[in-house]
Amino acid sequence: DADVTQTPRNRITKTGKRIMLECSQTKGHDRMYWYRQDPGLGLRLIYYSFDVKDINKGEISDGYSVSRQAQAKFSLSLESAIPNQTALYFCATSSPGTGGIDTQYFGPGTRLTVL
Amino acid sequence: QKEVEQNSGPLSVPEGAIASLNCTYSDRVSQSFFWYRQYSGKSPELIMSIYSNGDKEDGRFTAQLNKASQYVSLLIRDSQPSDSATYLCAVSPLKYIFGTGTRLKVLA
Repeated sequence: DADVTQTPRNRITKTGKRIMLECSQTKGHDRMYWYRQDPGLGLRLIYYSFDVKDINKGEISDGYSVSRQAQAKFSLSLESAIPNQTALYFCATSSPGTGGIDTQYFGPGTRLTVL
Repeated sequence: QKEVEQNSGPLSVPEGAIASLNCTYSDRVSQSFFWYRQYSGKSPELIMSIYSNGDKEDGRFTAQLNKASQYVSLLIRDSQPSDSATYLCAVSPLKYIFGTGTRLKVLA
């Protein structure tokens, strides 16, 4: 079984709809992240959480919200989807290793299309 | 100036050659450096991490770090068509900052 799972894997929705993307992990990591990827723009951080009670905005949080339901679950919501939120969304997890250095591991991604 | 810069490519190399991918970063406090490989439509997959100046080798891959020049590179020896992908550089003092990636094409 995959260590980091994302649901749904593909979603087509309409402008104005509320959408939730879910991420679950079995790696036992405390830190979780949501990124979006657009062609030519690379991976951009939306939100991140270092533990269940910690939520932080990334560089592009406007129009998004998150919920950390448990150590293993981190959900991303689009309250009112708009077409420029069409992108590939990735969840990632990490845990500090030796010297406090942590390595991120990515889920398979969710392709979201907003019409 | 972008925080992490990579040439978008495509970088084309013949099969069996050495592919050299470069990345520069602007934040001098960056401590950790990572190379990810991403096939089209798939998630990034960690190839190498490096924290100290110098070279780090893992199989056909070598990461090189020069903190004074704020430069990190990835060498792929004996390039194979299966190495054709986009390679993402990431730097981290705490959160990751990704470059936009370099597309590598290995020609059979």
